[in-house]
Amino acid sequence: EAGVAQSPRYKIIEKRQSVAFWCNPISGHATLYWYQQILGQGPKLLIQFQNNGVVDDSQLPKDRFSAERLKGVDSTLKIQPAKLEDSAVYLCASSLGRGAGAFFGQGTRLTVV
Amino acid sequence: AQKVTQAQTEISVVEKEDVTLDCVYETRDTTYYLFWYKQPPSGELVFLIRRNSFDEQNEISGRYSWNFQKSTSSFNFTITASQVVDSAVYFCALSFTGNAGNMLTFGGGTRLMVKP
Repeated sequence: EAGVAQSPRYKIIEKRQSVAFWCNPISGHATLYWYQQILGQGPKLLIQFQNNGVVDDSQLPKDRFSAERLKGVDSTLKIQPAKLEDSAVYLCASSLGRGAGAFFGQGTRLTVV
Repeated sequence: AQKVTQAQTEISVVEKEDVTLDCVYETRDTTYYLFWYKQPPSGELVFLIRRNSFDEQNEISGRYSWNFQKSTSSFNFTITASQVVDSAVYFCALSFTGNAGNMLTFGGGTRLMVKP
């Protein structure tokens, strides 16, 4: 079974530039998450989708971050404009739903200089 | 509010030693799930185990074992006869079932270093 796919693996941008990350969840998983993991910390949830609807985006900095999940499958996370403190690994995960484990992709390591 | 605390930020052991990673959680929910994930240097979070709040049976899987004690809100993870390949950051996580999916709250992680 294919896992969660993310791209790119690495990205370096200058502050104030924009960047987008892509995620393809495990087939059949209705729930998709984006997490931000700053070096040395545990992952922090940014947004959760159930199919193509948003379940929770309370910790998403909406002035600069946006995410969508068209057709309830793939998802993109965008940052515009980026700040130095956005440097982190962005992890996408998917799950069958309530009570099921979440499976993570390899993440995108973003460096903002 | 939910919270997961992993008090040990870093543990160093010599190969073949047993090691226990501590996890303490807080939640007001009566139905919840607990998880352990492994994050090797490659960065991917690897799912290890899920436990629901109604199942306090301990579980063993090879060299791994988990001790869930509701009375102390703890879900500890023991690696027996540790190996160098066990070196990684381990995260304990908690989710509640109020939503359609899991909203996982992670602890800060414990970095385990196993030396040959």
